[in-house]
Amino acid sequence: EPEVTQTPSHQVTQMGQEVILRCVPISNHLYFYWYRQILGQKVEFLVSFYNNEISEKSEIFDDQFSVERPDGSNFTLKIRSTKLEDSAMYFCASSDTGGYSPLHFGNGTRLTVT
Amino acid sequence: KQEVTQIPAALSVPEGENLVLNCSFTDSAIYNLQWFRQDPGKGLTSLLLIQSSQREQTSGRLNASLDKSSGRSTLYIAASQPGDSATYLCAVKGATGANSKLTFGKGITLSVRP
Repeated sequence: EPEVTQTPSHQVTQMGQEVILRCVPISNHLYFYWYRQILGQKVEFLVSFYNNEISEKSEIFDDQFSVERPDGSNFTLKIRSTKLEDSAMYFCASSDTGGYSPLHFGNGTRLTVT
Repeated sequence: KQEVTQIPAALSVPEGENLVLNCSFTDSAIYNLQWFRQDPGKGLTSLLLIQSSQREQTSGRLNASLDKSSGRSTLYIAASQPGDSATYLCAVKGATGANSKLTFGKGITLSVRP
């Protein structure tokens, strides 16, 4: 069965550094999302992306965050200047028809900011 | 603002027991509801998706019901097995559209004892 693939599985970075988290959604999917889960807390929405633009973003997704679909297959999340509180598991997700089909999640990237 | 609650946070049952996991949400204006399974350190696997116009969905030993007007959903697991041990998350999609975000509950960690 097709999968959403995320790399790396674990990223350690120093505060203030830029990180790029990478995702390869399922190939025929059109809707893309980033969610995150701080240890012990709920999964939280960050941003949704459709037709090469952001559809919706949460208050967490401030100017330090950006998303890009550079080549029609990859979907990236960039954090410009990481903070300690950005430490979390970041999940990429995709779906083919938006609300009519389930969301498929990747295995996540664990980001640790020191 | 939508809030999703899952109680209890953890549940331990002997193998073979039928069990019900509960989910409640505060805003009944939803597009759909999804149940996910999360294994430790892994991503989220979609189990069942119920559209707002539906009452229930079934897949194998799993049955999910939705009562939108009362803001409740249940996930019924028949004849539980040790392999069912995982965290089960409920998430609702807002009614603003097919691409709107999912709001998650904190999950119920299920342990099935052999």
